[in-house]
Amino acid sequence: NAGVTQTPKFRILKIGQSMTLQCTQDMNHNYMYWYRQDPGMGLKLIYYSVGAGITDKGEVPNGYNVSRSTTEDFPLRLELAAPSQTSVYFCASTISGSKDYGYTFGSGTRLTVV
Amino acid sequence: EDQVTQSPEALRLQEGESSSLNCSYTVSGLRGLFWYRQDPGKGPEFLFTLYSAGEEKEKERLKATLTKKESFLHITAPKPEDSATYLCAVSWSGSARQLTFGSGTQLTVLP
Repeated sequence: NAGVTQTPKFRILKIGQSMTLQCTQDMNHNYMYWYRQDPGMGLKLIYYSVGAGITDKGEVPNGYNVSRSTTEDFPLRLELAAPSQTSVYFCASTISGSKDYGYTFGSGTRLTVV
Repeated sequence: EDQVTQSPEALRLQEGESSSLNCSYTVSGLRGLFWYRQDPGKGPEFLFTLYSAGEEKEKERLKATLTKKESFLHITAPKPEDSATYLCAVSWSGSARQLTFGSGTQLTVLP
């Protein structure tokens, strides 16, 4: 049981380049999320999905796109990378129910845009 | 606007010196308050969920409590391995389990 797997772990992009951050989970969780974490700041929600084919914007969606074609995968696309997108990106998942269950987080992708 | 504020930003304790971390929140219709632990270079690790004022949960040296406006994470007789950043987060009624996070308390326990 791998949990939430993120790739790559590190990446350096030049301004204007694009890339996809991969996230996959093997727990059959229906809810998935992308957060970014800047130094000294809390995690900010970028996008989330409540199931395959359903996505919605979070607090800081500009410059990003997502898709959810399967329950397992939730990739995050960066188009035209900017220095402001330098951050650590975390993917997380949870399952719906009568109570809120804690997220399972991936180990993160550290992205630097130069 | 939903807000979560954690204090202090950083805390240094001697091994065995008990203390508390604070998380104050403003949210319309609290669904749950969460505590996570985050080690350097890793993703946050879930610790507790609290749902209603007066609720308490314990895990080893950690005890989380909840009032209508804040939560406390009490650390009893901490050890160096308790050193980490502790994050507080809230979810609200009607949400898709999205969380609003505080900026965390960085705890260092000295041997």
